[in-house]
Amino acid sequence: AQSVTQLDSQVPVFEEAPVELRCNYSSSVSVYLFWYVQYPNQGLQLLLKYLSGSTLVKGINGFEAEFNKSQTSFHLRKPSVHISDTAEYFCAVTDLYGQNFVFGPGTRLSVLP
Amino acid sequence: NAGVTQTPKFQVLKTGQSMTLQCAQDMNHEYMSWYRQDPGMGLRLIHYSVGAGITDQGEVPNGYNVSRSTTEDFPLRLLSAAPSQTSVYFCASSAADSYNSPLHFGNGTRLTVT
Repeated sequence: AQSVTQLDSQVPVFEEAPVELRCNYSSSVSVYLFWYVQYPNQGLQLLLKYLSGSTLVKGINGFEAEFNKSQTSFHLRKPSVHISDTAEYFCAVTDLYGQNFVFGPGTRLSVLP
Repeated sequence: NAGVTQTPKFQVLKTGQSMTLQCAQDMNHEYMSWYRQDPGMGLRLIHYSVGAGITDQGEVPNGYNVSRSTTEDFPLRLLSAAPSQTSVYFCASSAADSYNSPLHFGNGTRLTVT
């Protein structure tokens, strides 16, 4: 079974500042890793995913994440945030069959003017 | 291009009532799933289906039933609602190789059970 931890439930940051949202996972098998974003009153949208290959993956809206197998982490970063990035961000893992996504509890990013 | 459509958007039930949350997708996705979202707990998988006629339980299946008679529709049934089922429910779908195909989510159904 897999589990996902997002240590920060809320992250406030000023506009144009960098941000890192932390994600750690636990699994006894190989996994695929994802970050999803949820804007208010909407469903989740895929930001980026790691399947294999380069450990640095780039996603939409200027976000990127780095897979670190030894630390079982998949932290999300953006060098300069905008007000429009205010949303809730979910880290998720799935086994290689891809049929059972396990989501973390979410991190609410608030970008302040 | 509707994607994943959930109805209703809001629902209030009394304890013991039954209802069905509807989910339809127009992308010919084989995989469909239902999640509930509760504060501080992320999304938890209730039931999922890998194709018409095939369903399986997720992490929190108790109190919910599903069926998959067509590729397009995956309704979630609450037979006897309980206050613990107050939550936001999301339906999601993806192509068969879902690890390489992202989950597409509906906009959710906010359910309150009094």
